[in-house]
Amino acid sequence: NAGVTQTPKFRVLKTGQSMTLLCAQDMNHEYMYWYRQDPGMGLRLIHYSVGEGTTAKGEVPDGYNVSRLKKQNFLLGLESAAPSQTSVYFCASSYTERGGYTFGSGTRLTVV
Amino acid sequence: DQQVKQNSPSLSVQEGRISILNCDYTNSMFDYFLWYKKYPAEGPTFLISISSIKDKNEDGRFTVFLNKSAKHLSLHIVPSQPGDSAVYFCAAPGFRGAQKLVFGQGTRLTINP
Repeated sequence: NAGVTQTPKFRVLKTGQSMTLLCAQDMNHEYMYWYRQDPGMGLRLIHYSVGEGTTAKGEVPDGYNVSRLKKQNFLLGLESAAPSQTSVYFCASSYTERGGYTFGSGTRLTVV
Repeated sequence: DQQVKQNSPSLSVQEGRISILNCDYTNSMFDYFLWYKKYPAEGPTFLISISSIKDKNEDGRFTVFLNKSAKHLSLHIVPSQPGDSAVYFCAAPGFRGAQKLVFGQGTRLTINP
């Protein structure tokens, strides 16, 4: 009964380093999302996927790339980390676009 | 272009009293609204929703009211309990005409004993 699992939970990167955040869901959901949460900004959509092999840009996509090679996994990549990408990242999945989102517990990323 | 706005970053309420969290939206095409609750170090969890064809939806201690003419919704918690202390986000499916959820900034609710 795992739901949505995010790894890692914490990470500190140096400016310019790269990393990949992994999101895995075991509910057979078609839709998956990556959001970032920043103080005073709420949750902002980075990228999303409407099914295996598809990805699309969200509200704040710059500096990030994503891949959905398998239905259960949605990867978020940072090619060259910047301090502005210091944030808490949440992955979510859903049966429909309009709600019923199940969120992971988040990844706290600090870029120094 | 913040389509969903929560103008109160924080709210403090005494245990047993009513908590009222507010949310404003700009897009009159939104037809469905949701509230999520988030505890520290956890992801947001769904709390309650309301369709635009209704002006009220109730679930136990939680009631959401929708005022379409004012483009305003509110979440009422009665009576407030210490376990209600969390950050509350309102959301609507309306990212750039698509149905992805857009969220407000969140309101941190603290229930004092």
